[in-house]
Amino acid sequence: DTEVTQTPKHLVMGMTNKKSLKCEQHMGHRAMYWYKQKAKKPPELMFVYSYEKLSINESVPSRFSPECPNSSLLNLHLHALQPEDSALYLCASSQSRPEKLFFGSGTQLSVL
Amino acid sequence: GDSVTQMEGPVTLSEEAFLTINCTYTATGYPSLFWYVQYPGEGLQLLLKATKADDKGSNKGFEATYRKETTSFHLEKGSVQVSDSAVYFCALRSNQGGKLIFGQGTELSVKP
Repeated sequence: DTEVTQTPKHLVMGMTNKKSLKCEQHMGHRAMYWYKQKAKKPPELMFVYSYEKLSINESVPSRFSPECPNSSLLNLHLHALQPEDSALYLCASSQSRPEKLFFGSGTQLSVL
Repeated sequence: GDSVTQMEGPVTLSEEAFLTINCTYTATGYPSLFWYVQYPGEGLQLLLKATKADDKGSNKGFEATYRKETTSFHLEKGSVQVSDSAVYFCALRSNQGGKLIFGQGTELSVKP
């Protein structure tokens, strides 16, 4: 299994809602990542978990809250988002040294 | 800091045409270099990579050579297909480890 699975594929939420994005991989990778991508722009790194511990937080607003319950799962909890947070949210995983990232297909998020 | 510069798109080619997408980088030391591809509605996939000077990465008919003297990693393909239509991202990772640095992306559209 060489896939990174993200759910849901699409999400529409209001600015007062709370929602969560989920990511799962079964490749035994020990590093997992959240990226934000605007249309036809490069992905922007948000968070990195290494061995289930948060190792990088790229000064992301607190309305985004990551969680890594175990080595296969990664969540991104969303609360009180703004319309400018609308984007494609990509999860990725890699061996501990990120020579190759495996990306999921992403969750397309729209904030109304 | 480290950076990657790609030629701007969109690039529009006819099927079977020759493709070149230019990529140059700025980095200290000896970074690893990558090309990622993003097909419509999907996440990014690693296309090819090179980890030291004069290495040639190749995959699916695409090639790129790590040129330290010109700090370049241009992507080439001899005969493009409609199915190659996608956004292509050049990226580097410094030899100190750390995150991937992406270029701005180049959209390729191949017409039959």
